[in-house]
Amino acid sequence: NAGVTQTPKFQVLKTGQSMTLQCAQDMNHNSMYWYRQDPGMGLRLIYYSASEGTTDKGEVPNGYNVSRLNKREFSLRLESAAPSQTSVYFCASSGLGARSYEQYFGPGTRLTVT
Amino acid sequence: QQPVQSPQAVILREGEDAVINCSSSKALYSVHWYRQKHGEAPVFLMILLKGGEQKGHEKISASFNEKKQQSSLYLTASQLSYSGTYFCGTLQGAQKLVFGQGTRLTINP
Repeated sequence: NAGVTQTPKFQVLKTGQSMTLQCAQDMNHNSMYWYRQDPGMGLRLIYYSASEGTTDKGEVPNGYNVSRLNKREFSLRLESAAPSQTSVYFCASSGLGARSYEQYFGPGTRLTVT
Repeated sequence: QQPVQSPQAVILREGEDAVINCSSSKALYSVHWYRQKHGEAPVFLMILLKGGEQKGHEKISASFNEKKQQSSLYLTASQLSYSGTYFCGTLQGAQKLVFGQGTRLTINP
């Protein structure tokens, strides 16, 4: 099992450009999440999807959109990138049952907006 | 609202003990602990549920006091492999996990 995979690993954008970060999990998990991590700020939840077909805002959703394409895939889109969106982005997933609280994280995407 | 962790950073020698605290201004039903090594993704350590039960992982244990709305992570006889940043998280809603700002732990030989 690959677990949670993210593409790309690194990306540099100019202000105003758009891009989509891809995330996929092969653990048959229902819930998926997008976080951003900035120095000294910890992990902040951008959006999450409790199940296929649903998405909800997290702590810092402004400037982002998400799509839960199917049970495996959850993408994050930046429509018009800004320097304030320079960050490391992590996707995570969690399942059902006794260990539903445990989130599995992907390796992250390091995004720089100039 | 983000839980507050203290201290922000700790430097230890191998074999020493450390305590990391996590407190919230909101009522807590569970506290989640994760560890992130430098350049890697966060990894789940343990969950503490309402009731004050201590959990353990390797020589790392934790307690949860829901009355005081706080949790503490205890690292005993620390090893070099314990270095990293520790995050506590609290649920705000069924799925919405909000993390503290992290505590950076450095273990020196």
